[in-house]
Amino acid sequence: GDSVTQMEGPVTLSEEAFLTINCTYTATGYPSLFWYVQYPGEGLQLLLKATKADDKGSNKGFEATYRKETTSFHLEKGSVQVSDSAVYFCALRQSNDYKLSFGAGTTVTVRA
Amino acid sequence: EPEVTQTPSHQVTQMGQEVILRCVPISNHLYFYWYRQILGQKVEFLVSFYNNEISEKSEIFDDQFSVERPDGSNFTLKIRSTKLEDSAMYFCASSEIRGTHDEQFFGPGTRLTVL
Repeated sequence: GDSVTQMEGPVTLSEEAFLTINCTYTATGYPSLFWYVQYPGEGLQLLLKATKADDKGSNKGFEATYRKETTSFHLEKGSVQVSDSAVYFCALRQSNDYKLSFGAGTTVTVRA
Repeated sequence: EPEVTQTPSHQVTQMGQEVILRCVPISNHLYFYWYRQILGQKVEFLVSFYNNEISEKSEIFDDQFSVERPDGSNFTLKIRSTKLEDSAMYFCASSEIRGTHDEQFFGPGTRLTVL
């Protein structure tokens, strides 16, 4: 079945550092790929998505590119802020499916 | 901004008891979902619900689980006889449409602790 693997945390960074969270997937066909973020005490929020190979999703300074050849969707941000401290989840969904398949989540803490 | 809400935020129950977790999806959404996350593990899909019936369910969603939309606003998950391994964070989600361009909006979760 479909699965998502993302780098284990926790990740601790200083403000203005570069953030990368690796995500790879196993799936048939061409699923849509997502990054969700969960801030403390809140629900998961969609951060960005890409629906086909070579698409780049971007939002709030975060980017991720759908790489079919490496089955990856790594999340990057060039200069993190304290407010980026959260849990980040990589996920995929097949076009004919209802469910999202999630990775385990990566906790990111940004220190001032 | 509209949001999905869930109550309670934390539920503690004894093994074998029934629990009902409640969710209020975004008002114009048509598709509803439950997911759970056991501590330290992945967020797992449980069930999706559309047009007053289950549209998809996972192997986790056995006869102990049921879902209902009892009125126009609430969406509930019932666990008939809780087990220790049901302890998890349960997330409700809703979406307006289904397909490539849909977005599932999640609630903050209910932490269920089974003693």
